[in-house]
Amino acid sequence: ETGVTQTPRHLVMGMTNKKSLKCEQHLGHNAMYWYKQSAKKPLELMFVYSLEERVENNSVPSRFSPECPNSSHLFLHLHTLQPEDSALYLCASSQDRSRGGVQETQYFGPGTRLLVL
Amino acid sequence: DQQVKQNSPSLSVQEGRISILNCDYTNSMFDYFLWYKKYPAEGPTFLISISSIKDKNEDGRFTVFLNKSAKHLSLHIVPSQPGDSAVYFCAASLNAGGTSYGKLTFGQGTILTVHP
Repeated sequence: ETGVTQTPRHLVMGMTNKKSLKCEQHLGHNAMYWYKQSAKKPLELMFVYSLEERVENNSVPSRFSPECPNSSHLFLHLHTLQPEDSALYLCASSQDRSRGGVQETQYFGPGTRLLVL
Repeated sequence: DQQVKQNSPSLSVQEGRISILNCDYTNSMFDYFLWYKKYPAEGPTFLISISSIKDKNEDGRFTVFLNKSAKHLSLHIVPSQPGDSAVYFCAASLNAGGTSYGKLTFGQGTILTVHP
């Protein structure tokens, strides 16, 4: 496997279900991100992990719970979602050197298409 | 308030001609700009980037221009090919003393269609 992978690619869940999205990066990066893309809206940053520490949480409802057990893996745990949470969820990774003043490009996975019924 | 805007939802171009995709931003603190391409059912793919200390960056058929005074950037694709048909997103980020770890702000995207 190369780049950034995400599983599952498609997910249908009811509002009472609990599910998890998985992301794995094979690029040796130390920062990982969750984005949400709803229809006809820009990509919205949800969470940022740098060196396995959460550094950004953009007012995301608590029904979304991220987990970063190591620098290569990122999870998004979902519970009691609403139909308006249906969207494409994208994971990305980069080499975070922001403390050194250098921006690094983010590389994206293929996304998980989520439908909440 | 959307800080990065792509005002053209779509663009149609003939194969071989130039495609020009535009992007405007409002935050003068942005110091790094990127263009991504996205095909259906795939994640965005990085195309090209530019730092705010430059006004032009070129990579093969792709050139990004940055006009800081106008807070405007554009992506030129020459010559355009049918395989370039995709959604193009511009994104901007800022590195304010290490407190904004790779935080990208995206535009809404422009659908480019290149006709044979």
